[in-house]
Amino acid sequence: EIGLTQSPGTLSLSPGERATLSCRASQSVTSSYLAWYQQKPGQAPRLLIYGASSRATGIPDRFSGSGSGTDFTLTISRLEPEDFAVYYCQQYGSSPLTFGQGTKVEIK
Amino acid sequence: QVQLVQSGAEVKKPGASVKVSCKASGYTFTSYYLHWVRQTPGQGLEWMGIINPSGGSTSHAQKFQGRVTMTRDTSTSTVYMELSSLRSEDTAVYYCAREGSSSWFVNWGQGTLVTVSS
Repeated sequence: EIGLTQSPGTLSLSPGERATLSCRASQSVTSSYLAWYQQKPGQAPRLLIYGASSRATGIPDRFSGSGSGTDFTLTISRLEPEDFAVYYCQQYGSSPLTFGQGTKVEIK
Repeated sequence: QVQLVQSGAEVKKPGASVKVSCKASGYTFTSYYLHWVRQTPGQGLEWMGIINPSGGSTSHAQKFQGRVTMTRDTSTSTVYMELSSLRSEDTAVYYCAREGSSSWFVNWGQGTLVTVSS
C-alpha cells in the first residue's frame, strides 16, 4: 500500500498570498497517477487536479499541480477567500487507492 | 448534469449491517466505474472499493474483506454498499464517487452519515 504524507498539516496565509502544498509518497506513484481535492466543511471533496498536473473542468488556473515519482505539489498562486479549505492528495496508480491526511489552508 | 444522490443517515448497533444506496443520473450509468470512499475523523478519507456498473464486478480494499458487499441495479441506475459486522470505528460519512477515465473521482455523492452506537 502506498502511503501519502501531506505537509504542512496547516498553512496560515492571507488572501492574495501563494500557497504551496506538498504530498510525498512512500513509493513511486505509477504514471503520475495523482489527484488533488478540495474539501469545505459539510461538503464532499471536489476534484481539482488529476494526472499530477491536469486541471479538472471548471477549476481556475490559479490552481496548478506538479511533480512525479514520490514528490508532488499543489500550488495556489493567489489565494481567494473561497480557497480556504482542506486539501487532499490521492494516488490511483496502485490498489488500494490511498489518500493523504490533508492540509488545512486557513486565513491568517 | 451528473448527480449522485445517496440514501439518508443511519444509526446502527454494533454487530448490525448497513446498506447505503447511490442513485446516478445525468450520464450513461454503465459507462463509468463507481467507488465507495468513507471519511472518519480519525482516519481521514479511506477508499473502500469499486464496482463496474456494466458487469457488476467488484474489488475492495483488503481491510474490508468479508464485510463489504457492493451491488448495482441497472434498471434504476443505483449502486449499493453493504457493510456488515459494524463496530464503532465504522462511524463515518460514506461517499459514492464516479471516476473519470481513470480512478480519480470526478463526481461525488452528498455523503451518508452512518453512526454505530449501542
